[in-house]
Amino acid sequence: GAGVSQTPSNKVTEKGKYVELRCDPISGHTALYWYRQSLGQGPEFLIYFQGTGAADDSGLPNDRFFAVRPEGSVSTLKIQRTERGDSAVYLCASSPTGAANSPLHFGNGTRLTVT
Amino acid sequence: GENVEQHPSTLSVQEGDSAVIKCTYSDSASNYFPWYKQELGKRPQLIIDIRSNVGEKKDQRIAVTLNKTAKHFSLHITETQPEDSAVYFCAAGRFGSQGNLIFGKGTKLSVKP
Repeated sequence: GAGVSQTPSNKVTEKGKYVELRCDPISGHTALYWYRQSLGQGPEFLIYFQGTGAADDSGLPNDRFFAVRPEGSVSTLKIQRTERGDSAVYLCASSPTGAANSPLHFGNGTRLTVT
Repeated sequence: GENVEQHPSTLSVQEGDSAVIKCTYSDSASNYFPWYKQELGKRPQLIIDIRSNVGEKKDQRIAVTLNKTAKHFSLHITETQPEDSAVYFCAAGRFGSQGNLIFGKGTKLSVKP
């Protein structure tokens, strides 16, 4: 079946602009995660949804970052007043149950470049 | 919070040799330890995982060992092949708890033919 889908695959924006990154999880997966991966680094946790609610948003770096999952399926990561340091690959993952041992299925990511 | 350290950052081996990647974690409550493989430009994919109630798990040429006392775990790849070349990430989390995984910084493995 279809895997985790992320759009766009690439996004170039100017410093100070607003961006939205979209994630379509695997159908039926209740848990959805956003990670950020900088060049040469491991995925860095941002936020985790169980259903519609953010169960853990402790990884969001500051209040410019926000994410929603209004119907418990598709999620949007929103970044306001983008900075060059926000440039990274933003990975979305979903898992069947959200238990930490429930395998994460990653999307291909959105490469965000802030100029 | 949890912190995961991974070593080495790069590893180069000859085809057929073994490769070992090591990770340490800080949170003694962590009890689930997966390993992900990420090929260039692709998504991370789970290759093997281990829970804290076992000390070792094997899947063909790949094995993972866990030492809970020392809070470290290792990935072992035997008879390496060029297609094993990728970046490998370890991670730690809590089995049975809803939550996230904390990843190491990755090891770039190069297998030379």
